[in-house]
Amino acid sequence: DTAVSQTPKYLVTQMGNDKSIKCEQNLGHDTMYWYKQDSKKFLKIMFSYNNKELIINETVPNRFSPKSPDKAHLNLHINSLELGDSAVYFCASSQFRSANEKLFFGSGTQLSVL
Amino acid sequence: AQSVTQLGSHVSVSEGALVLLRCNYSSSVPPYLFWYVQYPNQGLQLLLKYTSAATLVKGINGFEAEFKKSETSFHLTKPSAHMSDAAEYFCAVSQNTGFQKLVFGTGTRLLVSP
Repeated sequence: DTAVSQTPKYLVTQMGNDKSIKCEQNLGHDTMYWYKQDSKKFLKIMFSYNNKELIINETVPNRFSPKSPDKAHLNLHINSLELGDSAVYFCASSQFRSANEKLFFGSGTQLSVL
Repeated sequence: AQSVTQLGSHVSVSEGALVLLRCNYSSSVPPYLFWYVQYPNQGLQLLLKYTSAATLVKGINGFEAEFKKSETSFHLTKPSAHMSDAAEYFCAVSQNTGFQKLVFGTGTRLLVSP
């Protein structure tokens, strides 16, 4: 069983559309994250949730709205998609929220906005 | 603010040769330091981490890294490269208080030739 799974793996859409990416972890972890990897492979944290509570929000446009219905799920909804949103989005989880924790990453969702 | 700098976007070695991937960090507080590896079309996996215990850290797949405070470095080494080591390697830092919030370097692509 995949530890951190994201769907879909590929997402191609037009500018202005709204789309969601789903993430689930079966590791029993308390904390989940969304990271964005741009075309130059630069990775940057977007959000972090601990026990369904938002604990990190890194100046991401409010078109991006994470939702955590329970500890095992963290979904990312994006409104009014723009060309600059094209990237690979990685979900991750860790057992606890502390700074020395190992992150377990999903395999990514490649979003292409046309 | 914390940051990491990875020197060399690409490093090429022959199979059996020493692997050296460079990482320098900047942090106003004692840092936690990490090396992650990304194989094609996969998420990141933790290779090793430094959390203020031993300065020489051993990780998976024969990799190790040494924390040198005087040089603000955390270079990754492996004595003998294998073809399967070809991947993208990311150095990351987080501060040792508060939540896990990794700040990644721009990555180094390791190429291994026969």
